[in-house]
Amino acid sequence: QQPVQSPQAVILREGEDAVINCSSSKALYSVHWYRQKHGEAPVFLMILLKGGEQKGHEKISASFNEKKQQSSLYLTASQLSYSGTYFCGTQTGGGSNYKLTFGKGTLLTVNP
Amino acid sequence: EPEVTQTPSHQVTQMGQEVILRCVPISNHLYFYWYRQILGQKVEFLVSFYNNEISEKSEIFDDQFSVERPDGSNFTLKIRSTKLEDSAMYFCASRVNTQYFGPGTRLTVL
Repeated sequence: QQPVQSPQAVILREGEDAVINCSSSKALYSVHWYRQKHGEAPVFLMILLKGGEQKGHEKISASFNEKKQQSSLYLTASQLSYSGTYFCGTQTGGGSNYKLTFGKGTLLTVNP
Repeated sequence: EPEVTQTPSHQVTQMGQEVILRCVPISNHLYFYWYRQILGQKVEFLVSFYNNEISEKSEIFDDQFSVERPDGSNFTLKIRSTKLEDSAMYFCASRVNTQYFGPGTRLTVL
């Protein structure tokens, strides 16, 4: 079952912040965040493992609440280059049962 | 930095024809995947492959689809008799822990 992402779309002005949420009804091993620009492949941003950790990548960070099976991606002081569709991928199963299921994506548009 | 590569970047075919999409995963990766993305929609899982066999497939991956690792480097997706609705971007991915995507093959079925 695919994770649910919200919001579906966000429009920002350069320098503004945004939060993208991802939730699952299944127990998760990890959450993966990707950004996809139009016509390109998804690019890996970060992975969050069980343990409620938080990670950062430049001005993009994320958290994972394993009790709630939720993850949030935080984009601060957004730049034009942040525009794209953000997908969360939720990992269910480990080892050879590993499966990554993607949400429908959140379209982020950063305007000057 | 190692990366997943895919060929061709764009394939145009007639309905009913067979196509083979090729991928070269990252060399030390053991798990391989094919995904499909119809224009404007989410990335959809097709199949996972480990230890020279399919470990999981989705309901999209019907008898028209097959995967193969013919040698130590290539990983292929074959669609036996293409349909109009097979038109999409097809992404190959491989992983140890983190999953990395190839650049994709845009398949257009006419």
